[in-house]
Amino acid sequence: KQEVTQIPAALSVPEGENLVLNCSFTDSAIYNLQWFRQDPGKGLTSLLLIQSSQREQTSGRLNASLDKSSGRSTLYIAASQPGDSATYLCAVSPRWGWVNRDDKIIFGKGTRLHILP
Amino acid sequence: NAGVTQTPKFQVLKTGQSMTLQCAQDMNHNSMYWYRQDPGMGLRLIYYSASEGTTDKGEVPNGYNVSRLNKREFSLRLESAAPSQTSVYFCASSEVIPAPNSPLHFGNGTRLTVT
Repeated sequence: KQEVTQIPAALSVPEGENLVLNCSFTDSAIYNLQWFRQDPGKGLTSLLLIQSSQREQTSGRLNASLDKSSGRSTLYIAASQPGDSATYLCAVSPRWGWVNRDDKIIFGKGTRLHILP
Repeated sequence: NAGVTQTPKFQVLKTGQSMTLQCAQDMNHNSMYWYRQDPGMGLRLIYYSASEGTTDKGEVPNGYNVSRLNKREFSLRLESAAPSQTSVYFCASSEVIPAPNSPLHFGNGTRLTVT
C-alpha cells in the first residue's frame, strides 16, 4: 500500500530565505504527484502537478521536482515571504490503485511552514 | 469562476441527527470526491464518483452515504451523526480519474461538530 511522508511536520525560516519541502512515497508506480497549499480554516489550493513522465514543474517562485526511482519529490520556494506561511501537502495518485480499489489519491500529513518577518 | 462550492460552511449537530452536505462544481469535471480531514490523520477519502451515475467507497465510508445528483453536484449524507464524525469535510473534483494530468480542485470545506 502506498505511503506518503512529509518531514518535517513544521518548519520556521526567516523571510527571504530559499527553502525546500520534502515528500517521499513508497511505490514508484504513480500517475502524478500534486503539491497543495492550505491556509488555516481554508481548503486546499493546487500549486503544482508533476506527471509521472516529468522531472519538474515551475510556477513563479515555486519549483517542484520528482524522482520516482528514489520515491521523492521536493518543493522549492525561492525568496520566501510571510505570505508563504501555510501548510503544504503533497498527494500521490497511484497507477494501480483505482483498478485494485486499494489505494486512491494518498495525501501526506503536510509541513506547516512559518516565515518569520 | 467559482470552482468547487460547498454548503454549509459550519454545522453543529446533536448525536443521532441527520444532515446532507452539498457540493457543486462548475468546471465540467467528471469525477468528484468527499474527504474528511482530522488532526494527526490527514485527509482520508470517504466516497468518490468517477463519473455521473457511479459512486464508490473510499477509505472511511462507514456512517455516510452519497448521491451524484448530476454531473455538477455530489452530496454527502450523515444518516445518524456520531461524535466520531466531528471533522472538516472537503469536496473535490477532477477532470477524470485516473489520469496523469488531472489535478484535484478543492472546495473550502464544511466544519462539522457533533455533540
